[in-house]
Amino acid sequence: EAGVVQSPRYKIIEKKQPVAFWCNPISGHNTLYWYRQNLGQGPELLIRYENEEAVDDSQLPKDRFSAERLKGVDSTLKIQPAELGDSAVYLCASSLEGGLSGSAGELFFGEGSRLTVL
Amino acid sequence: EDQVTQSPEALRLQEGESSSLNCSYTVSGLRGLFWYRQDPGKGPEFLFTLYSAGEEKEKERLKATLTKKESFLHITAPKPEDSATYLCAVYYGGSQGNLIFGKGTKLSVKP
Repeated sequence: EAGVVQSPRYKIIEKKQPVAFWCNPISGHNTLYWYRQNLGQGPELLIRYENEEAVDDSQLPKDRFSAERLKGVDSTLKIQPAELGDSAVYLCASSLEGGLSGSAGELFFGEGSRLTVL
Repeated sequence: EDQVTQSPEALRLQEGESSSLNCSYTVSGLRGLFWYRQDPGKGPEFLFTLYSAGEEKEKERLKATLTKKESFLHITAPKPEDSATYLCAVYYGGSQGNLIFGKGTKLSVKP
């Protein structure tokens, strides 16, 4: 079974440029997450989807970040314009369970997209 | 403030030297506590789920335990391939549930 697929793996851009990341979750996983992970830190949630609906986007900096999940499968995360502080690894994860299920924390992560903003 | 704290930040062991990693949490309505392993340049990999105090889970040289305030990840006779960052996460109550991660413990096992 294929795991969570993310692209690109690495991206280097100048500040103020736009960037987009793509994620394909595990087939059948209705819950999808985007996390940001800075060096030496744990992942921090940006947005969570249940199917097509964004159920938690409270930590998404909406002035420059946007996300979408078309047809409840693939998802894209966009940053426009990028700032120096956006340099991080952007992780996508999916889970079979969502909502208030105790197993909703059993996430399957992709390998991440490492963003460097110069 | 709801939070998850892991200690130590880094741990260096000799091969075969057993030890424990700690994850303490202050959240209301715990629904599950999760341990993940993260290798450099990779995404976290799920290891264990613990639901209630007193519960234990084992996998090879790893054993996770849970109390009302903290969890321990015990590593028995570690090998160099156990070197990784171990992350703890808690899922707790709310209208949709919330999952927060600790900062992790970086484990290095020397041969």
